[in-house]
Amino acid sequence: QVQLVESGGGLVKPGGSLRLSCAASGFSFSDYYMIWIRQVPGKGLEWISYISSTSTTMYYADSVKGRFTISRDNAKNSLYLQMNNLRAEDTAVYYCARGNYYGGHSLFDSWGQGTLVTVSS
Amino acid sequence: EIVMTQSPATLSVSPGETATLSCRASQSVYNNLAWYQQRPGQAPRLLIYGASTRAAGIPARFSGSGSGTDFTLTISSLQSEDFAIYYCQQYNNWPRTFGQGTMLEIK
Repeated sequence: QVQLVESGGGLVKPGGSLRLSCAASGFSFSDYYMIWIRQVPGKGLEWISYISSTSTTMYYADSVKGRFTISRDNAKNSLYLQMNNLRAEDTAVYYCARGNYYGGHSLFDSWGQGTLVTVSS
Repeated sequence: EIVMTQSPATLSVSPGETATLSCRASQSVYNNLAWYQQRPGQAPRLLIYGASTRAAGIPARFSGSGSGTDFTLTISSLQSEDFAIYYCQQYNNWPRTFGQGTMLEIK
């Protein structure tokens, strides 16, 4: 079955960097676009980044543009999020999710369990 | 950016009864609207897409309706596992945006 496992979260100081990974299994990773979404503990969901199946197109939320970089390695079935210049407001659980098309509808149909990033001095 | 507004923030309903959750978009998203369920400590799970189509494995007691800017998620015959937070999300435009969520709690 589809499995997405995030890793790389932890405690980092403001201005620091962190690289998140998402290991995918149970499906043909290279056929799907992927996204990162974050959730401040106890709060709502915020989409932050998108990457197409072949890495030709990436999108970012304004809140992370210029600081975060999404990438993927289809040979390793892995998705990444490089996070630089981290701020306290980046503290959240970060989820990777698979993007899929259902009859023209573009959906996030499978999610990982998330990895917590805490930005604090 | 399309702003999604959900109401109410918290809904108290007894098991076996029906819950009705609302979602409004700041501009038309046609039927490009999804609903997700998030149980405590878990990742969100896709329930509904296309405003009214249930995702695979979702029970028939979950139904969605609406188009344009106003949408509704109805959960009938509430069971204990249905008490969770529900989010609507538009996928008509980038950035994809979510509502702030409705917490469905046991009355």
